[in-house]
Amino acid sequence: GEDVEQSLFLSVREGDSSVINCTYTDSSSTYLYWYKQEPGAGLQLLTYIFSNMDMKQDQRLTVLLNKKDKHLSLRIADTQTGDSAIYFCAESGPGNTGKLIFGQGTTLQVKP
Amino acid sequence: SQTIHQWPATLVQPVGSPLSLECTVEGTSNPNLYWYRQAAGRGLQLLFYSVGIGQISSEVPQNLSASRPQDRQFILSSKKLLLSDSGFYLCAWSPNGREAFFGQGTRLTVV
Repeated sequence: GEDVEQSLFLSVREGDSSVINCTYTDSSSTYLYWYKQEPGAGLQLLTYIFSNMDMKQDQRLTVLLNKKDKHLSLRIADTQTGDSAIYFCAESGPGNTGKLIFGQGTTLQVKP
Repeated sequence: SQTIHQWPATLVQPVGSPLSLECTVEGTSNPNLYWYRQAAGRGLQLLFYSVGIGQISSEVPQNLSASRPQDRQFILSSKKLLLSDSGFYLCAWSPNGREAFFGQGTRLTVV
């Protein structure tokens, strides 16, 4: 079945790199996503990667995709206190329906 | 630019009362629209999906219903709320089925 798994919590020091990991099960997923949720707010799309790519970089964010192992990671360079939030991994399933399957979210705590 | 609006932001309703949550999108036409629910401490679950006016797909069996009376309006409803309907409800839209953009959510507490 479809399932997306993430570790629940990560704590880093300001200025360090953060790496948030995710595993998914649907190998037919076309796109994989990272969303950020600040307390009490909606989800902000950070970045997404097409399933035939293995890396995507966007400023401080680097997404790595290992399709063989169905493993996705998000690296945040030079982590700031403003990066503290819940980060959700999601997969699209096949095609372009926009129907997303989310992980439970990883709470990132950035200590000054 | 495109924007998505959801209201109300918070809502406290008694068990057995009706529900109507509204979502509208501006600056685009014929978007895909979605309702998700986020239970406390968990990820999001897709409830409903719509590709056009009057076209609603229900993703999970539940006490809720959805309607799309206009191209950019998506409504989540219930005739009688249950305690288990409490949660954070998020509306989202997509121009192309690839990127999905979320509203700010409605925190529903059923008492």
